[in-house]
Amino acid sequence: QLVLTQSPSASASLGASVKLACTLSNGHSRYAIAWHQLQPEKGPRFLMKVNSDGSHTKGDGIPDRFSGSSSGAERYLTISSLQSEDEADYYCQTWDSGIRVFGGGTKLTVL
Amino acid sequence: QVQLVQSGAEVKKPGASVKVSCKASGYTLSSYYMHWVRQAPGQGLEWMGMINPSGGSTSYAQKFQDRVTMTRDTSTSTVYMELSSLRSEDTAVFYCARERDPIAVAGSGEFDYWGQGTLVTVSS
Repeated sequence: QLVLTQSPSASASLGASVKLACTLSNGHSRYAIAWHQLQPEKGPRFLMKVNSDGSHTKGDGIPDRFSGSSSGAERYLTISSLQSEDEADYYCQTWDSGIRVFGGGTKLTVL
Repeated sequence: QVQLVQSGAEVKKPGASVKVSCKASGYTLSSYYMHWVRQAPGQGLEWMGMINPSGGSTSYAQKFQDRVTMTRDTSTSTVYMELSSLRSEDTAVFYCARERDPIAVAGSGEFDYWGQGTLVTVSS
């Protein structure tokens, strides 16, 4: 079964960097994923697609502070130079024929 | 620029149905799959299903298979999601989301544009 696992919460200081993780279930380590940001009172925003080789393709207007990487079954979203508006929920998403799957989301707090 | 604009908030009684619309602009509706995702209060994102606006074919998540219907009107570039037999647990924000790659490419399945969300409240 295709499942994505995320830590429920993360925190980092203003101006620092944070690395969020998304883990693919057994047998799915070569799948690509997408990262989406859900800010309070706003609709979700597509950040990027991250491939198994670590390459990533960002959405329109996504700042360079956001980057993606991979290691095995792990897919990462790194946000550098954290700003207050980065405080949000971050979801990873993947797909297989006929289905789409979300991780449980990580709530990022900017201290 | 691509925009997805959804219909306004709804309040429904248990057992009723709700129909949410998503009007697309800035691209040709029939060229991209459209998906529906919901988020219940305090919960994560949950995929409900998808529609191919070109021919109208659909694929639904097993959880919603018996209660959801997705349709489209290409003349107005609008897709619809109807959920029936509503219960209190269906109170949620519903989003439409476009799949990034054109249908003709049959590429990957990430969503690149989202609607602003529609709050549906189910209460007696």
